[in-house]
Amino acid sequence: GEDVEQSLFLSVREGDSSVINCTYTDSSSTYLYWYKQEPGAGLQLLTYIFSNMDMKQDQRLTVLLNKKDKHLSLRIADTQTGDSAIYFCAVSGGYNKLIFGAGTRLAVHP
Amino acid sequence: DARVTQTPRDKVTEMGQEVTMRCQPILGHNTVFWYRQTMMQGLELLAYFRNRAPLDDSGMPKDRFSAEMPDATLATLKIQPSEPRDSAVYFCASGLASGVEQFFGPGTRLTVL
Repeated sequence: GEDVEQSLFLSVREGDSSVINCTYTDSSSTYLYWYKQEPGAGLQLLTYIFSNMDMKQDQRLTVLLNKKDKHLSLRIADTQTGDSAIYFCAVSGGYNKLIFGAGTRLAVHP
Repeated sequence: DARVTQTPRDKVTEMGQEVTMRCQPILGHNTVFWYRQTMMQGLELLAYFRNRAPLDDSGMPKDRFSAEMPDATLATLKIQPSEPRDSAVYFCASGLASGVEQFFGPGTRLTVL
């Protein structure tokens, strides 16, 4: 079945850029997503990219998609302490199903 | 501000008891998903409904779990009997079948002692 992998932890200094990486196995995924989860909360959709795009920018967020390598990344510019959370990569399966990675815990320190 | 609501937010119960979790999808959304989140397994899809009909419940242990949508405004996930390994956070999400996004509820944290 579909597999989505992410590194588990990332630590950055406040003001720096954060880059969270994700790899997936199913090249037929139509949409690829980034969700954010803060402690004790549900998942919040940050952004998504259609599989025929290679880049999408939304304010401080930049998503890059390399279909050949099946690699997705999320760059957060000027990372703030409020960005500390778990970030999930997800890809669409059949019937709008989402297949999630294990999540990357982002820690932002002064 | 439309959002998915889930009740209860927290549930502590003893092994063998029945547990029912409820979800109210965003008004007008015709797809509903149930996910389970644990430290070991991460986020797993349990069941998926479209227009109240179950399309996929292959991720759900059939012997003890059941999911239904009595009407378009209510989805339920029932565990009977509950076991300690069912302890997890259960999320409901809703969306449009024609749409791209899934909107998640705040989750129900279930602890089975």
